[in-house]
Amino acid sequence: NAGVTQTPKFQVLKTGQSMTLQCAQDMNHNSMYWYRQDPGMGLRLIYYSASEGTTDKGEVPNGYNVSRLNKREFSLRLESAAPSQTSVYFCAAQGGNQPQHFGDGTRLSIL
Amino acid sequence: DAKTTQPNSMESNEEEPVHLPCNHSTISGTDYIHWYRQLPSQGPEYVIHGLTSNVNNRMASLAIAEDRKSSTLILHRATLRDAAVYYCIDMNRDDKIIFGKGTRLHILP
Repeated sequence: NAGVTQTPKFQVLKTGQSMTLQCAQDMNHNSMYWYRQDPGMGLRLIYYSASEGTTDKGEVPNGYNVSRLNKREFSLRLESAAPSQTSVYFCAAQGGNQPQHFGDGTRLSIL
Repeated sequence: DAKTTQPNSMESNEEEPVHLPCNHSTISGTDYIHWYRQLPSQGPEYVIHGLTSNVNNRMASLAIAEDRKSSTLILHRATLRDAAVYYCIDMNRDDKIIFGKGTRLHILP
C-alpha cells in the first residue's frame, strides 16, 4: 500500500521554465493538499482540493496552478518558475476527520 | 493563519517524559485535535488525534482539557529519535488544514 506518491523526488529548473509536480493517492480520500516548506520554516498551504473537480486557494497560491481531474491525482504546476519557489513541496491526502497522509516530498531548486 | 498556538521550542532529557502544550483558542465543537511530527528531512507524520476524551496509542498520549481550549501531547519516555517539530491542528472535515510553526523538540542525551 503506497499511500501518497509524489514525483519527481528532486528537480532543478532554470528561471522561467515550467513544470508539473505529480501526486497520487491510493487511499480513496476525498481531500488532497499541496504545501511548501522553506528551509527551517513550517508548512504553508498552497492549494487544496476538497473533492474531485474542486480546488481552492490556500495561504500562498500565487505562481501556482493545480488540477484535480480525478479522485486519485492532484497535480501542481509552476508556469514560470522563479527562484523564490525553491522549496520542498509536500502533497497530502485526507478523508473525513481522519489523519492526513503525506508523500515524501519533492525537492525543487530554481536557478 | 493557523488556529493553534505552541511554544517555539522545548528541551527534554532522554528517557524522561515530555509534555508538549497547544492552545486551541478558536476550536469549534466539531473540530478534532490532531498532532503530527516532522523528523529532520522527512515529511510530516501522524502522531495522535482526539475529540474530547484523552487518547493513548503506541507513540504517545493526548490529554484534552475539559473546555477543549488546550491539549497536551505526552511522550512518556523521550528518545533521541523523538527530536522533531511537533504540530497541533484543529481539524474540521469541511475546512482546509493549515499548519502553524510547531514546537521544535530537542532531546538532550
